[in-house]
Amino acid sequence: VQMTQSPASLSASVGDRVTITCQASQDISDYLNWYQQKPGKAPKLLIYDASNLETGVPSRFSGSGSGTDFTFTISSLQPEDLATYYCQQYDDLPRSFGPGTKVDIK
Amino acid sequence: EVQLLESGGGLVQPGGSLRLSCAASGFTFSNSAMSWVRQAPAKGLEWLSGITGRGDSTYHADSVKGRFTISRDNSKNTLFLQMNSLTVEDTAIYFCAKDRRWSTSWDTFDLWGQGTLVTVSS
Repeated sequence: VQMTQSPASLSASVGDRVTITCQASQDISDYLNWYQQKPGKAPKLLIYDASNLETGVPSRFSGSGSGTDFTFTISSLQPEDLATYYCQQYDDLPRSFGPGTKVDIK
Repeated sequence: EVQLLESGGGLVQPGGSLRLSCAASGFTFSNSAMSWVRQAPAKGLEWLSGITGRGDSTYHADSVKGRFTISRDNSKNTLFLQMNSLTVEDTAIYFCAKDRRWSTSWDTFDLWGQGTLVTVSS
């Protein structure tokens, strides 16, 4: 399953609403996760099963979608959200990640 | 503390071999399916291999099939990745990752190690 993300990068101000889209090359139901990777760090799970918030993750992060089209949203961007965000499907083997969206703070 | 700690990375010549280890602590290792994921310099994430909690089933992506082998020793809470016939394209940070829910599949990665750098160069 090929995963695409858009945009590849974005720059937004603190407090802005940020939206990232992820598209799968075939129907993957809701078998979709979102990860955050800060510079020099390992990825961190934020959202699983397309829309479920991982324990301990701030509620400003959310996910939605099913089938082939998915959305990840940061409702109010914070300075610590500087990172690259990846979607990942687990409907089929091999598991695959999107190319990532780099989020910068203006 | 719940953590994964990789080791074994380093500089290796093309055609060479390397064995990575991932030491797990703070959770019941044998109940968790495990994976290896790599990230080439300034690139995205690539899932390579998975192994079930009991070690009775494995999967390798085509990019490493026949060259890399995932295994585990549940008595030592350790995951391994044996890498043979390395090429410059295998240069990357290698992460081990634990599955969030299942011992029998590789779906959602809720715990990651810090990564170990493998550099393939002459």
